[in-house]
Amino acid sequence: GDSVTQMEGPVTLSEEAFLTINCTYTATGYPSLFWYVQYPGEGLQLLLKATKADDKGSNKGFEATYRKETTSFHLEKGSVQVSDSAVYFCALTDNQGGKLIFGQGTELSVKP
Amino acid sequence: DAGVTQSPTHLIKTRGQHVTLRCSPISGHKSVSWYQQVLGQGPQFIFQYYEKEERGRGNFPDRFSARQFPNYSSELNVNALLLGDSALYLCASSLDRVGTEAFFGQGTRLTVV
Repeated sequence: GDSVTQMEGPVTLSEEAFLTINCTYTATGYPSLFWYVQYPGEGLQLLLKATKADDKGSNKGFEATYRKETTSFHLEKGSVQVSDSAVYFCALTDNQGGKLIFGQGTELSVKP
Repeated sequence: DAGVTQSPTHLIKTRGQHVTLRCSPISGHKSVSWYQQVLGQGPQFIFQYYEKEERGRGNFPDRFSARQFPNYSSELNVNALLLGDSALYLCASSLDRVGTEAFFGQGTRLTVV
């Protein structure tokens, strides 16, 4: 079945460092891809999405490109802030049934 | 506009008991989905309801059930609670069954002792 694999955390960075969180997926058909963020004690918030190959999703300085040839959707940010500390989830939906399939999450901690 | 609201926010139950969790979707949204998030893992899909009918079910035992009401709110019921049911239960609402963004509530933290 469809699945999502993320790089394991926790990831600890200094403020203004470059961030990459790797995400690869396995899916039949043409899924839509998402990054969600979960701040401590809160639910999930959609960070960005891409619905077809070569699309780039971006929001709040974060970006990710849908790479069909490598089945990847890596999250990047050029300069992280302390306020970016959270857990990040990569997810896909198959556009048939609407359910989201999540990776295991990557905890990011940004130190001042 | 109010977002997705879930109640209660926290509860503690004893093994073998029954629990009901509630979710009110964003106004105008017709689809509600439930997810279970065990500590340190990603959310796992439990159910999707659309227009008051079950449209999808994840790999969960029959102890888990749900329903959607005419006002599109939803309940998740879990019978015969096990320690392993301790988790954050998330509700997500979306405008339609597929192809539209899912908005998540803050979740209900269930602890089974």
